[in-house]
Amino acid sequence: DAGITQSPRHKVTETGTPVTLRCHQTENHRYMYWYRQDPGHGLRLIHYSYGVKDTDKGEVSDGYSVSRSKTEDFLLTLESATSSQTSVYFCAIRTDREAGELFFGEGSRLTVL
Amino acid sequence: GQNIDQPTEMTATEGAIVQINCTYQTSGFNGLFWYQQHAGEAPTFLSYNVLDGLEEKGRFSSFLSRSKGYSYLLLKELQMKDSASYLCAVKDSNYQLIWGAGTKLIIKP
Repeated sequence: DAGITQSPRHKVTETGTPVTLRCHQTENHRYMYWYRQDPGHGLRLIHYSYGVKDTDKGEVSDGYSVSRSKTEDFLLTLESATSSQTSVYFCAIRTDREAGELFFGEGSRLTVL
Repeated sequence: GQNIDQPTEMTATEGAIVQINCTYQTSGFNGLFWYQQHAGEAPTFLSYNVLDGLEEKGRFSSFLSRSKGYSYLLLKELQMKDSASYLCAVKDSNYQLIWGAGTKLIIKP
């Protein structure tokens, strides 16, 4: 299985501050994803990447930006955090197996006060 | 719009069998996934169905009927460690995943 690490795992910040979450993978998978998970909702896609410098928006991309300057790193940035962005954020890679299932990082819990 | 429906919560007894249903209305269909998620942890892949029928994997089985827009996950010989949320996700015509909100399964001794 792919090795994925997310950092930080927990963060508390204040409204209006910038926040960057990092996702690092060790096996050169092409597709990487950022999701948020909130009670009562399914996982919601924020942004995804299909290669270095190749990214696209998901269903809840407003207020978020991403960058992928290296295959192994996918960064999610909240330019000016709001309380509605308090959530658990998961990074995922698409495996190379036939189903192309996703393998998730451990998650980053962000609280915006 | 695209929609995936699952029961919010189910309760079952250790050693028993439970069936978790998932119905979907999506723009196209390219496969259905089931994931398990323990509280405070990441989702982990359980099964994938792209053709109609039953896929068995140990104590877990997953069934798909594309004509009915319906799937279920069947868990046999329930163990306390099966207490978790079970997420259904459909890959649509654009190969994007649409996720259900998950079913929280509570196992009682």
